[in-house]
Amino acid sequence: LPVLTQPPSASALLGASIKLTCTLSSEHSTYTIEWYQQRPGRSPQYIMKVKSDGSHSKGDGIPDRFMGSSSGADRYLTFSNLQSDDEAEYHCGESHTIDGQVGWVFGGGTKLTVL
Amino acid sequence: EVQLVESGGGLVQPGGSLKLSCAASGFTFSGSAMHWVRQASGKGLEWVGRIRSKANSYATAYAASVKGRFTISRDDSKNTAYLQMNSLKTEDTAVYYCTRTKGGYFDYWGQGTLVTVSS
Repeated sequence: LPVLTQPPSASALLGASIKLTCTLSSEHSTYTIEWYQQRPGRSPQYIMKVKSDGSHSKGDGIPDRFMGSSSGADRYLTFSNLQSDDEAEYHCGESHTIDGQVGWVFGGGTKLTVL
Repeated sequence: EVQLVESGGGLVQPGGSLKLSCAASGFTFSGSAMHWVRQASGKGLEWVGRIRSKANSYATAYAASVKGRFTISRDDSKNTAYLQMNSLKTEDTAVYYCTRTKGGYFDYWGQGTLVTVSS
């Protein structure tokens, strides 16, 4: 099964930029992933889908300062002009069908702190 | 407005059973694949399983951790999905979210319902 690895925490100053990373297991390095934002005490919200070629498609209402990109097995979510409202847990996830079995896998999540 | 409202969570002893419900509104429920995703306190998200639409034969799929113990069903006449959980273990303790897939991603989520498995 695919494994998605995320650093447990990240932090940056208000107004700064930061790039969050989701790393796919090497044998699944071409997979598309999705990013979700989960503010404290809230349900997750879809942000965008990021493909292996770096193209991405955002959900409705997601600001332009959220960008997606890729490099090898890494999928990125980049924020510019960080806002206090961006402080949240960010999860990456992917769906797959292997040996006829469908499933979804998530990374462990990255808690983003805005200083 | 799309709404997914989970209910049925609570405290249950190890080995016990519980049935969660997810009431949907604001979209064509009968044509949607519905999923359950859980999150233990302070942990990441874990996909539990899904049920497809009637057009896709109500096909179900489950995570290995719950296969054989949990069953997902739906009643399109009531716009409701269900998660029957049997043989519950302490490690099943989590907030359980109902969510829908569209275009391969989870586009709407409920507010979640807490299931605590403890003696």
